[in-house]
Amino acid sequence: NAGVTQTPKFRILKIGQSMTLQCTQDMNHNYMYWYRQDPGMGLKLIYYSVGAGITDKGEVPNGYNVSRSTTEDFPLRLELAAPSQTSVYFCASNPGSTALTWTGELFFGEGSRLTVL
Amino acid sequence: QKEVEQDPGPLSVPEGAIVSLNCTYSNSAFQYFMWYRQYSRKGPELLMYTYSSGNKEDGRFTAQVDKSSKYISLFIRDSQPSDSATYLCAMIRTTSGTYKYIFGTGTRLKVLA
Repeated sequence: NAGVTQTPKFRILKIGQSMTLQCTQDMNHNYMYWYRQDPGMGLKLIYYSVGAGITDKGEVPNGYNVSRSTTEDFPLRLELAAPSQTSVYFCASNPGSTALTWTGELFFGEGSRLTVL
Repeated sequence: QKEVEQDPGPLSVPEGAIVSLNCTYSNSAFQYFMWYRQYSRKGPELLMYTYSSGNKEDGRFTAQVDKSSKYISLFIRDSQPSDSATYLCAMIRTTSGTYKYIFGTGTRLKVLA
């Protein structure tokens, strides 16, 4: 299994540009998450989704948008990139608490490193 | 006050040492406790999880939870250079019927050969 796949791995953006970070999981997980990780700051939740068609804001949603049209895909859109969005972005998934084998484990992708200049 | 506090380190130990990593928390609503390991330029991966107070052992790793003191620990015995990574504690509580994950800031560990 590929697990959670994120693309691109690296990207440099100019201020004001827009882009989409792609996230795909092949585990049929209902729950998906986008986090950003800044040095010394831990993981901060941007947006999450509990199933196709359902999304909700996390702690730091400003400047981002998401959609969840399928169970597998959860893209993160950055509109009007700003230097404050320079970070490492992680997508994660979880089967959901109704799964018989639920342990709360989050399965993470390898991250997308974004620099905004 | 942060919900979860974790000493950022870095922590540098010789090979074979016993390592103790710790987190404190302020919210008694946390129900599940986890430790993730994150190698450089990789995503976090689950190392240990527990739902109750007490100890849980897995090979060289022991996770300890003390709910009365709001304190969790991860012990690594006979540490190896391959254990060099950042260790993140994580806790889960329910909010409006959904599970909310709160992560510590991570402790960087370096095990010297």
